[in-house]
Amino acid sequence: DIVMTQSPDSLAVSLGERATINCKSSQSVLSTSNNKNYLTWYQQKPGQPPKLLIYWASTRESGVPDRFSGSGSGTDFTLTISTLQAEDVAVYYCQQYYSAPLTFGGGTKVEIK
Amino acid sequence: QVQLQESGPGLVKPSQTLSLTCTVSGASISSDSYYWSWIRQPAGKGLEWIGRIYTSGSTNYNPSLKSRVTISLDTSKNQFSLKLSSVTAADTAVYYCASDLIGSGRPFDYWGQGTLVTVSS
Repeated sequence: DIVMTQSPDSLAVSLGERATINCKSSQSVLSTSNNKNYLTWYQQKPGQPPKLLIYWASTRESGVPDRFSGSGSGTDFTLTISTLQAEDVAVYYCQQYYSAPLTFGGGTKVEIK
Repeated sequence: QVQLQESGPGLVKPSQTLSLTCTVSGASISSDSYYWSWIRQPAGKGLEWIGRIYTSGSTNYNPSLKSRVTISLDTSKNQFSLKLSSVTAADTAVYYCASDLIGSGRPFDYWGQGTLVTVSS
């Protein structure tokens, strides 16, 4: 199984400031056949299912604000919220889609400082 | 737009079988474009993929649950189902069904709202 490790577990950021979440996979999720990283990011608010934010490691889902961006390749990935808004308070998960079993990181809770 | 809705008992006794159904609208279960997955989340904890099924009926299961899990399709009702046998308190969780548009790079693009299943006598 590919193990996904997120850091930090939680972070508190002031409104308008940058939030950065890291995700590391135990093996590469980069496909050599299409040069795509099978890495997605989700946002989950209390009482709601997760919402897809980013796929292929850096492609923003339709309707997701451009303050959310994803980067990285191979085994190391980052989700950045460039200017934190109040509505961004949530838990964020990375997930690898490279091979079954599909696995998630442990989650990072983002709060307002 | 695909919509999914989980249904089933909210309370299951230990050692019994948990059974849930996901009703899909906006897409056909018989479409060769999708995987259909089950994912669970214990209260206050992270997400665990349980498994998925393809239109052909082929399945992939999480090895941690494989001996107890069965996912099946009911094409006549546009539904897919989850059965988890020999449940314990550790299986108490919110259970989600989700769609996966194959090749899109967007796994779990649509989710049900989730259903809480409690294992207790």
